[in-house]
Amino acid sequence: AQTVTQSQPEMSVQEAETVTLSCTYDTSESDYYLFWYKQPPSRQMILVIRQEAYKQQNATENRFSVNFQKAAKSFSLKISDSQLGDAAMYFCAYRSTGANSKLTFGKGITLSVRP
Amino acid sequence: DTGVSQDPRHKITKRGQNVTFRCDPISEHNRLYWYRQTLGQGPEFLTYFQNEAQLEKSRLLSDRFSAERPKGSFSTLEIQRTEQGDSAMYLCASSLQGIGYGYTFGSGTRLTVV
Repeated sequence: AQTVTQSQPEMSVQEAETVTLSCTYDTSESDYYLFWYKQPPSRQMILVIRQEAYKQQNATENRFSVNFQKAAKSFSLKISDSQLGDAAMYFCAYRSTGANSKLTFGKGITLSVRP
Repeated sequence: DTGVSQDPRHKITKRGQNVTFRCDPISEHNRLYWYRQTLGQGPEFLTYFQNEAQLEKSRLLSDRFSAERPKGSFSTLEIQRTEQGDSAMYLCASSLQGIGYGYTFGSGTRLTVV
């Protein structure tokens, strides 16, 4: 079974600075999808960014980008120009390519943004 | 379409009572998922449907839990004889069939068993 590990329970960043959230995963599959989800306090979880394992190019979405290291099974999220609205829990998630696959989440990391 | 809706947002119940939650997915999404999230943890998979068929159930889903999705539209999750350990956020998500699609989550139902 696949596992997703987020070893940092909390992180803090100064507004306008850059922060990197770490994630590692374990799988024996060669093709899969990786995701970062954001869950603001008392609000629904939203998709931040998605990476397809067979693509070597790192995904980017505006201020959000990933560093995908397939051999190391590492998938970190970089948030540039941090904003107060970025404060939330961030979850890394894995999904295999099987027809009946579903998302497997890490424990999450709480990001706080200092004004 | 306003996204995935879950009702109620909060539920407080006494131990031993039955509770039922409802999820209305995005109308064109044929897949619907239920997850459970406890404080400080990531969501854990419970079960999922493709249209009206329940395709997989987690070992976390004891026989006190039952889920349905009649007619492939909304879904209900019922917990019978609730226990304090059932206290959690219950999240519903929907997606299109296809491995590359991410999920759209609802706001969740927070259950507190007292």
